[in-house]
Amino acid sequence: DAGVTQSPTHLIKTRGQQVTLRCSPKSGHDTVSWYQQALGQGPQFIFQYYEEEERQRGNFPDRFSGHQFPNYSSELNVNALLLGDSALYLCASSLTNAIEAFFGQGTRLTVV
Amino acid sequence: DAKTTQPNSMESNEEEPVHLPCNHSTISGTDYIHWYRQLPSQGPEYVIHGLTSNVNNRMASLAIAEDRKSSTLILHRATLRDAAVYYCILRRRGSQGNLIFGKGTKLSVKP
Repeated sequence: DAGVTQSPTHLIKTRGQQVTLRCSPKSGHDTVSWYQQALGQGPQFIFQYYEEEERQRGNFPDRFSGHQFPNYSSELNVNALLLGDSALYLCASSLTNAIEAFFGQGTRLTVV
Repeated sequence: DAKTTQPNSMESNEEEPVHLPCNHSTISGTDYIHWYRQLPSQGPEYVIHGLTSNVNNRMASLAIAEDRKSSTLILHRATLRDAAVYYCILRRRGSQGNLIFGKGTKLSVKP
């Protein structure tokens, strides 16, 4: 089992551009959550997907959107990038009702 | 969600026990106490969780105060690989939602 895999590992974008980050959950996991982690801070919850629907959302603007596919993989899209969007983006997967969440290694996004 | 308070940083010597404290004075009766850790350049990983009783697993032990207003993560013999940021998180029983991370405690382990 490859665990949670995220792509790409690093990305540099220009302010105003759009970006798509991808996540493949651990085998069999049906729930995917996305987090943003600024330097020196703990991860902040963006949103969670279950059964291809957004189930819960954190305090992030509509520029942040997502999608979950029938195979449970997920994408995070960010439009109109700001310098402040530079961060490590983490994907976590779990089984519904399970205690433990499994995190990927993240995608490091730099906006210049 | 109830808040947790942890020291910003702690130091330990290799092969010695480490006690990482967490205060959660506003914890509710249905909140579980979870611990995750984040090694350098990695995503967070689950360590342990508990509700009322002390818990042990292969990674660590969790000691929960009788009034549940504080808890301590215990690493019995710290190794260099245990150097990480440790997060104490409260999560409501039955919650399928997000984990709310604070800044955590950065643990340094000296050889």
